[in-house]
Formats: sequence, C-alpha cells, structure tokens
Amino acid sequence: DGGITQSPKYLFRKEGQNVTLSCEQNLNHDAMYWYRQDPGQGLRLIYYSQIVNDFQKGDIAEGYSVSREKKESFPLTVTSAQKNPTAFYLCASSPRRGTYEQYFGPGTRLTVT
Amino acid sequence: GENVEQHPSTLSVQEGDSAVIKCTYSDSASNYFPWYKQELGKRPQLIIDIRSNVGEKKDQRIAVTLNKTAKHFSLHITETQPEDSAVYFCAATRGDSTLTFGKGTMLLVSP
Repeated sequence: DGGITQSPKYLFRKEGQNVTLSCEQNLNHDAMYWYRQDPGQGLRLIYYSQIVNDFQKGDIAEGYSVSREKKESFPLTVTSAQKNPTAFYLCASSPRRGTYEQYFGPGTRLTVT
Repeated sequence: GENVEQHPSTLSVQEGDSAVIKCTYSDSASNYFPWYKQELGKRPQLIIDIRSNVGEKKDQRIAVTLNKTAKHFSLHITETQPEDSAVYFCAATRGDSTLTFGKGTMLLVSP
C-alpha cells in the first residue's frame, strides 16, 4: 500500500468552502474508493470507481463529488453542501473489479470550522 | 444491502492471552471476508482474509474462521503482544464488489 498517496495529511477549511482531497496510486489498479471514518463508525463508502471515466455513489455520497479522468488519480471534493465534513478521509484501491482486496492510503484529516 | 455487525467494540487482554473478535453479515451472497488492523492515526492494513470456499485460514499467530451457514466469521489472535494493540475491522463483500465494514474493535493488550 506504499503506492497509494494522499495529500495533504491535515487540511483546515472554513465552513462554506469547497475543498479537494488528492488520491494517487502507482499500482496500476483499476478500482479506487473513498471512505469516511468517524470515531466509532467504522469506514463508510462515499464513492467508488472501477474503471476510468466511470464512478458510482456509495452509502454517503451526499455533499461529495469525484472525478476519474486518469487511472492513477481519484480526487474527492467535499462541497459546502456536506453538513458535517470534519472527518478522517481514506482512499483505497484494488487491482480490478472482483479481486476485492483493498489497499489504503495514509488518509487526510479534514477539519472544517 | 449488506450489514456487518462486529463485537465486542473494545477488548482488553493480558499479554500472552488469546483474543477473539466476531462479525456477522446479512448477505448470503458475500464471498470474501477481510480483516484490517488500524493503529492510531494510521491507515488500515490488511492482515488476513478468507474466501467463502474455505472454513479456516491461519497466518502465524492470527487465524480467521468462517461459518457460512450461520453467516459469521471470527478473528483469532494467539499469544497477544502489546504491538497487537490497535483497532480491528472486519468486512464483507457486496454484490457490486465493494466492501461493507464493521464498526471496529479496539484491542488493548496490557504487558
């Protein structure tokens, strides 16, 4: 999982601002995922993409948007419509649809005040 | 959709004891069950996984068992060490090839 990078590690924003979190992988993986982690809540799926130029909503997509223009990159935008954006955000990738094993990036801790 | 329940939410053991964490799932079509370990502030790391055609899998001090009939699977850690202290997550596949995660178990191993 050293091949998945997320930046920055910590991010601070004012309420009402959109913010984009970066996720890059050099593992040649087809599928990429975004999760949100809150204390005691486990990992909840925001969006996922199993192939370039295609992505699907996960369980908590409201207030978030993504793009998948390149195989290596899957940026997540947290919009001002997300009511409670402060959380730890994790990106993951897996080799291809149907292989299931997911490998995580180091995460970005977003704080919105 | 898939629902994964994980118990207990916290588990305290003495060094050298065994630890068992249990998960149940709802979708009988689930066929892959990974376990992740997450240390404080770090990324989740895959430590062991099992597929539906296997009942048990071992890797040194950790093992996972699967009971498809009862729809539950468990993580077993023997001879626990302080460095095993972390949050452990189970997960199960859904029909769209994504994973549903349990809410996690905080394992504390006291020296």
